[in-house]
Amino acid sequence: AQKITQTQPGMFVQEKEAVTLDCTYDTSDPSYGLFWYKQPSSGEMIFLIYQGSYDQQNATEGRYSLNFQKARKSANLVISASQLGDSAMYFCAMREGAFTGTASKLTFGTGTRLQVTL
Amino acid sequence: NAGVTQTPKFRVLKTGQSMTLLCAQDMNHEYMYWYRQDPGMGLRLIHYSVGEGTTAKGEVPDGYNVSRLKKQNFLLGLESAAPSQTSVYFCASSYRTEYNEQFFGPGTRLTVL
Repeated sequence: AQKITQTQPGMFVQEKEAVTLDCTYDTSDPSYGLFWYKQPSSGEMIFLIYQGSYDQQNATEGRYSLNFQKARKSANLVISASQLGDSAMYFCAMREGAFTGTASKLTFGTGTRLQVTL
Repeated sequence: NAGVTQTPKFRVLKTGQSMTLLCAQDMNHEYMYWYRQDPGMGLRLIHYSVGEGTTAKGEVPDGYNVSRLKKQNFLLGLESAAPSQTSVYFCASSYRTEYNEQFFGPGTRLTVL
C-alpha cells in the first residue's frame, strides 16, 4: 500500500483564491511527522510546513496551513490568497516513527501540480 | 552561504560507464541524503548518512554506492550505469532534530544512453 497518496495530479486555482491540496498517509506507528515541499519549475525543493503526529494544533506558516485530521489520516495543505508564484509541484512527505536521533527518512507522494491563473 | 550544491548539473553517460555525483553543504548538517526523482513517482530515497563515515541504504539502493568521508560532502557513485538510472538526482541535508527540515540541492539531470 502507498504510504503517501496524493490523488490530485493537477489543480487550477484563480489568483487570490484559496486552494486545498490533498494528502493521505498510511502508517501504524503512533509517532510520525508530515511535511509539505514545493518544487517550482526551476527544480529545487522548498520546505513549506511540518506537522508532528502529537501536535495538538494545525501547523501554519504564513499563507500555508496544514489541515491535519488524524483519524482520517489526512494532512491537506491549504494555501490562502493564491499568487502566481505559487504555481509549482507540491509534494507531501512522511517520516515514520518517533525521532530517535537517527536519520529521519522521508517517504514522498507523487505530487500535485498547481497552476494559479489570473 | 551556498546551502546545498551539486556537481554536475547535467550529465550524459553511455551504458556501462561510471560516474560520481558530488554533494556539498555548508550548514554543518549531520544528516545527508540522496534521492532520485522520476516522472509520476515522486522522490525516492537511495542512500543516506547520519554522520561522517556512516552510510545506510534507502528505498532504492541497488546500482549505487555512496561515501561520506567528510561531514560536508556526500558522494553518489554509479559503477556501471544503466538506462534505468536515467533520472534527476537530488541531494539533501538536515539537522539532527525532530523537525528535520531537509534542504535540497538544485538537482543533477542524468541521462544514460
